[in-house]
Amino acid sequence: RKEVEQDPGPFNVPEGATVAFNCTYSNSASQSFFWYRQDCRKEPKLLMSVYSSGNEDGRFTAQLNRASQYISLLIRDSKLSDSATYLCVVNKANTDKLIFGTGTRLQVFP
Amino acid sequence: GAGVSQSPRYKVAKRGQDVALRCDPISGHVSLFWYQQALGQGPEFLTYFQNEAQLDKSGLPSDRFFAERPEGSVSTLKIQRTQQEDSAVYLCASSLGGRWAGAQETQYFGPGTRLLVL
Repeated sequence: RKEVEQDPGPFNVPEGATVAFNCTYSNSASQSFFWYRQDCRKEPKLLMSVYSSGNEDGRFTAQLNRASQYISLLIRDSKLSDSATYLCVVNKANTDKLIFGTGTRLQVFP
Repeated sequence: GAGVSQSPRYKVAKRGQDVALRCDPISGHVSLFWYQQALGQGPEFLTYFQNEAQLDKSGLPSDRFFAERPEGSVSTLKIQRTQQEDSAVYLCASSLGGRWAGAQETQYFGPGTRLLVL
């Protein structure tokens, strides 16, 4: 079983739609959680960190449920420019390793 | 300011050839990471440096893979006797902090080196 699991998609949604991605992780000792965005043939870039209290950045909302070992990302009012792969990332406790999921591909169409 | 840079951007190697991939981290960044990303997969951790010390090399897939950062800045990932399964994008990332702080901080990725082994 992979340490971080995501639905690979693709999710095809129209502009303006709300879309949610989920991710589960297996190591209950994980301490830090992130969503990274990766455009086609580009490097990953940090989208947002994920905190237990939940956090929001504009149209993006991230939630963490430690009891269920579950992380989510909600994108409201999707834009064409949101089309990318969204990587769920977890750090292993007491290490500097980041463990990436396979990514969920989002395609927003006009 | 300048981000993480990697060279070469593309490398085609014949099976059995040795290759060297270079990473220039952001100036002043203490932590440096190497990842391998196969097609359709997320990046997978290879190794980690804090300054010149290699603190974790548990992700290196075999003893054909070797990384160094002798002066605590530029790093080189070397792959000896390349195999077709080594074909992937090799990503380098750096972050500002020291040990375990790196996991709490943003890792900034370079554009990667696309390696194709024929």
